[in-house]
Amino acid sequence: AQSVSQHNHHVILSEAASLELGCNYSYGGTVNLFWYVQYPGQHLQLLLKYFSGDPLVKGIKGFEAEFIKSKFSFNLRKPSVQWSDTAEYFCAVTPKAAGNKLTFGGGTRVLVKP
Amino acid sequence: GAVVSQHPSWVICKSGTSVKIECRSLDFQATTMFWYRQFPKQSLMLMATSNEGSKATYEQGVEKDKFLINHASLTLSTLTVTSAHPEDSSFYICSARDVGADTQYFGPGTRLTVL
Repeated sequence: AQSVSQHNHHVILSEAASLELGCNYSYGGTVNLFWYVQYPGQHLQLLLKYFSGDPLVKGIKGFEAEFIKSKFSFNLRKPSVQWSDTAEYFCAVTPKAAGNKLTFGGGTRVLVKP
Repeated sequence: GAVVSQHPSWVICKSGTSVKIECRSLDFQATTMFWYRQFPKQSLMLMATSNEGSKATYEQGVEKDKFLINHASLTLSTLTVTSAHPEDSSFYICSARDVGADTQYFGPGTRLTVL
């Protein structure tokens, strides 16, 4: 079975700082990769996704993620965060043959100080 | 973007009663919906996959007789927690798969508290 690990459980940073959240997965086959965000009191929203092609994908709100196949990683980045980026971020993976069944990482809580 | 709704958003019930939670895809048809459970400060754990017109597929350790799932139409799946107990108190989240986008879109969740 596949697994997803997010290395940072909590991240605290100031506005305008750069953000990078790590995500690694374990699965031998080809996968689709996702980053979801959950703002306080809100539901999960899709930030970005990677299926194939250019390994650097851009999502909403200035986020981007890079798929590095050799490292089984899909790290999320944002060059300059805002206070409104305070949220919990989840990496998720689904093997292409699994009928879209997602496996989530443990999540990373990000607090951006104004 | 695709919108998924859940009803109710929160429910409080007595131990031993059953609770039904609805999940609807509002602007797309979903042949597959998923039900998750999220414990405080933890990630989402998949409970079951709901397929329109067929039986749900449950993850290991999830009691299918306790968590009844019905997916009667392309826009509606229901989760019924039968004979609920305090340990069933949790945040239940559904998602619906938009086949065209090959992506899951999530509902806002239902907080269940069993007294």
